[in-house]
Amino acid sequence: GENVEQHPSTLSVQEGDSAVIKCTYSDSASNYFPWYKQELGKRPQLIIDIRSNVGEKKDQRIAVTLNKTAKHFSLHITETQPEDSAVYFCAAGGSYIPTFGRGTSLIVHP
Amino acid sequence: DAGITQSPRHKVTETGTPVTLRCHQTENHRYMYWYRQDPGHGLRLIHYSYGVKDTDKGEVSDGYSVSRSKTEDFLLTLESATSSQTSVYFCATEGQNGYTFGSGTRLTVV
Repeated sequence: GENVEQHPSTLSVQEGDSAVIKCTYSDSASNYFPWYKQELGKRPQLIIDIRSNVGEKKDQRIAVTLNKTAKHFSLHITETQPEDSAVYFCAAGGSYIPTFGRGTSLIVHP
Repeated sequence: DAGITQSPRHKVTETGTPVTLRCHQTENHRYMYWYRQDPGHGLRLIHYSYGVKDTDKGEVSDGYSVSRSKTEDFLLTLESATSSQTSVYFCATEGQNGYTFGSGTRLTVV
């Protein structure tokens, strides 16, 4: 089955800095790579996703890049704000069975 | 999201008792999932369903069973609850906008 590794487990940045979270996956058949943000006590919510036919996708301050050859993908958050503080999960999957990374706790200090 | 609801939101139960958690969706999505979330482990798949009466095991299925008699309902049963099953349980469905999670059920086994 799919194996997803996510790093770092904790990331602490100053407001305004950039943050990068990286994930690697094992199954070359995976073709869908979503990222979720989970605020304390709440459900994970999709923030951005990318499919295997695209190398990069942006949505305002967040972007995701995908390197299929190396089997890794990354989440980039620019100009971080305190409200970006949360746990972020990556996932990799085929059509319908996603495997999640263990999460990254992002702390943005004002 | 109004399209997926979990019940109950919180439950405390005693070791050895059976427990059933319910997930209800109004989106007519074919795939439904049950995950458990524990610190340091991220989201781990317990069981999933790909249609009415069609279910399969995930990576941590021991001690759990599921049923799906209608498209909209996916039940998770802990046959004989143990303290190791204390966790937050999330149901999810997949649609055109990726995976959507319910609000979660916090289960404590004492």
